[in-house]
Amino acid sequence: GAGVSQSPSNKVTEKGKDVELRCDPISGHTALYWYRQSLGQGLEFLIYFQGNSAPDKSGLPSDRFSAERTGGSVSTLTIQRTQQEDSAVYLCASSLEINQPQHFGDGTRLSIL
Amino acid sequence: AQRVTQPEKLLSVFKGAPVELKCNYSYSGSPELFWYVQYSRQRLQLLLRHISRESIKGFTADLNKGETSFHLKKPFAQEEDSAMYYCALASGYSTLTFGKGTMLLVSP
Repeated sequence: GAGVSQSPSNKVTEKGKDVELRCDPISGHTALYWYRQSLGQGLEFLIYFQGNSAPDKSGLPSDRFSAERTGGSVSTLTIQRTQQEDSAVYLCASSLEINQPQHFGDGTRLSIL
Repeated sequence: AQRVTQPEKLLSVFKGAPVELKCNYSYSGSPELFWYVQYSRQRLQLLLRHISRESIKGFTADLNKGETSFHLKKPFAQEEDSAMYYCALASGYSTLTFGKGTMLLVSP
């Protein structure tokens, strides 16, 4: 595709619900990344994939967060039992290889009521 | 552990004034440094990378290994430069480490 695509663009949900965020990377990009952007906190790394494998899950804030990638393409980030502190913009990026410049999507703005 | 520090949360200048957005890093090896920019209502995008040694939109950044810095400079700021700027570091086969960002506001 023309760029990294994320859906939904906005998500409002009640505390305690599960949410699933989707990222469709640029075709042919082997590496895919998830970040969280909170007000005043900058960009917080969550997890990255090389192909379908996630070598580094160190950034996931808690065991409520999980992510998977299938077919070396689309990735989903799942947050279970959402809390208000999960409210943020979740950004996805992809790159041709792991050490190449990253291309970002527009993000999903998640609001937990 | 690698770290990127952007000491200024906000930098406000007048149009035509010089701009310097500071970035310092800590990493023991040979890093690769980037500047990313996010304009209002647009996605985060790569502005420049140090290995390219190029000028984008009038911005330049020189890697100073002695001072472990990669400051972003522009001699004459324009209103359209107003945006959030992030410095980032890559090391070997690892993900980017971003600074917290500096908001640049250019007033007419």
